[in-house]
Amino acid sequence: GAVVSQHPSWVICKSGTSVKIECRSLDFQATTMFWYRQFPKQSLMLMATSNEGSKATYEQGVEKDKFLINHASLTLSTLTVTSAHPEDSSFYICSASTGAPGQPQHFGDGTRLSIL
Amino acid sequence: RKEVEQDPGPFNVPEGATVAFNCTYSNSASQSFFWYRQDCRKEPKLLMSVYSSGNEDGRFTAQLNRASQYISLLIRDSKLSDSATYLCVVNWRGSNTGKLIFGQGTTLQVKP
Repeated sequence: GAVVSQHPSWVICKSGTSVKIECRSLDFQATTMFWYRQFPKQSLMLMATSNEGSKATYEQGVEKDKFLINHASLTLSTLTVTSAHPEDSSFYICSASTGAPGQPQHFGDGTRLSIL
Repeated sequence: RKEVEQDPGPFNVPEGATVAFNCTYSNSASQSFFWYRQDCRKEPKLLMSVYSSGNEDGRFTAQLNRASQYISLLIRDSKLSDSATYLCVVNWRGSNTGKLIFGQGTTLQVKP
């Protein structure tokens, strides 16, 4: 089945550090990738939709200058949390889709980010 | 009103029990529907897609009622390994970009 790899799986760093998370589709070309955030005991919240070769579309309330997304190829999207603060601590998950209508998304393993 | 609503539970059932989860969605133009399973501190994994005619995969049966905007998941003969959070997921407004809206999840705990 479709495989999406996300790296790193766990990050602990000091406040003010920028953190980059990679999302790769390993066996299919992902025209669209999605970045989610999940706080404890809450559902996944979509942060942004990333399309290969174009600017990401951010959901309302998500700061595009804080969460930089780059989707430079059909198999790789990156999310950079710039100048991270403790309130950015969360579980970040990417998913990828071929873009075909009705097809499910396949999720990466997630990145648990802890900002001290 | 939330776009996708689920009873958060938790549902505590004994092994072998049959359990049903319900989900409602607000946007009648939604086109695609899924059930995902999420284990604690893990990413969601696709359990099954949901089709208008209803579909079954082993012990799992999913049904969709478009008129009522209602989705269900039935688990028969529950196993301990079924303990997880089950997420009802809807393709937002039938968008071809695949944007998904997640319910808050229903937690299932199967006990020996």
